[in-house]
Amino acid sequence: DTAVSQTPKYLVTQMGNDKSIKCEQNLGHDTMYWYKQDSKKFLKIMFSYNNKELIINETVPNRFSPKSPDKAHLNLHINSLELGDSAVYFCASSQPGVGTDTQYFGPGTRLTVL
Amino acid sequence: GESVGLHLPTLSVQEGDNSIINCAYSNSASDYFIWYKQESGKGPQFIIDIRSNMDKRQGQRVTVLLNKTVKHLSLQIAATQPGDSAVYFCAEAHPPGNQFYFGTGTSLTVIP
Repeated sequence: DTAVSQTPKYLVTQMGNDKSIKCEQNLGHDTMYWYKQDSKKFLKIMFSYNNKELIINETVPNRFSPKSPDKAHLNLHINSLELGDSAVYFCASSQPGVGTDTQYFGPGTRLTVL
Repeated sequence: GESVGLHLPTLSVQEGDNSIINCAYSNSASDYFIWYKQESGKGPQFIIDIRSNMDKRQGQRVTVLLNKTVKHLSLQIAATQPGDSAVYFCAEAHPPGNQFYFGTGTSLTVIP
């Protein structure tokens, strides 16, 4: 069983479009995250979210918004896509306070903006 | 910020040799550290972690060393195998919020 899954795996779209990436975790974790990985493999956190608190990295444009319909899902909506949004986006989840805070990552979604 | 202008450090080792991957972290308040392995086309995968009250922790074929004085973390892989070829990241977390901040990564290539 896949612990953290993302769809789609690849997303190619035109500049200016609005798109969403879905993430689901079946680990029962309370906290989920979105990361952006650029072409040089640099991994930067964008959001962390649990049912109590959304923490936003202040450098993330407000065109990006997380939406959580329930504890097992955290989707990423992106409005007015720009060329610089091209990257691989990773979803992750964790359960802080149970021995380790390790995060389990999804397989990633490669977004290409043309 | 973004790693514009930075190259991904690389390390090449012969199969069977030991590998040492180094990481310098930035925040002296960081109290939890994790090493991740990322294979091509996949998400990062947990390898081993260590808390700031420890200097060393061992796993299966891997050892993490923490030097808080110089804010340095290392990952040692014993008897490196071709399957160890990947990009390795260290990540640090500190209160408040305990969000993780990742290093730039090191690309390890194992030569058969």
